[in-house]
Amino acid sequence: EIVLTQSPTTMAASPGEKVTITCRASSSVSYMHWFQQKSGTSPKPWIYDTSKLASGVPDRFSGSGSGTSYSLTISSMEAEDAATYYCLQRTSYPPTFGGGTKLELK
Amino acid sequence: EVQLVESGEGLVQPGSSMKLSCVASGFTFSNYGMNWIRQAPKKGLEWIALIYYDSSSKYYADSVKGRFTISRDNSKNTLYLEMNSLRSEDTAMYYCAKRDFDYWGQGVMVTVSS
Repeated sequence: EIVLTQSPTTMAASPGEKVTITCRASSSVSYMHWFQQKSGTSPKPWIYDTSKLASGVPDRFSGSGSGTSYSLTISSMEAEDAATYYCLQRTSYPPTFGGGTKLELK
Repeated sequence: EVQLVESGEGLVQPGSSMKLSCVASGFTFSNYGMNWIRQAPKKGLEWIALIYYDSSSKYYADSVKGRFTISRDNSKNTLYLEMNSLRSEDTAMYYCAKRDFDYWGQGVMVTVSS
């Protein structure tokens, strides 16, 4: 099973600040996928195939990486971005999720 | 519009059984594999089961293998999760999701407690 380790586990960012969340895989994966989850709602696909934004996702978000290291970046933090973000690999079974990064507004 | 709607939530005692359903619409259900994912309170996401589009293959997380059974009825556009020998650690929100995790249901809460 591929283990995904996200860092940081929690963080706070001020409006306008650049944010980077990292997801490291225990073995190489072809792509990484990201989800945004706000309290009381189901996870929303956010970035797929490492760098493609899901429909409706603001272009201040971007994704990058390869092999065992991937990241989600917000170029300029906005209040609506406060949420928990999860990475997912489905290169090999079983699919596995990272432990999540809780992003708060400072 | 793709929709996945779960049902079957409730409170059950340890050792008992429960069956969840997920009704799909807005896409050709019979063409896609489907997943179940769960999330314990205040915890992260855990994939638990996958079924191929034609039910030819099923995969389970070790945590539920032998206790949970995933199935589907393509004539009813419905996915199921039968859960037996439930434990307190199975308490979670359960989500169904389309094969590539590109669409999710709203989730149903399963609470296992005496």
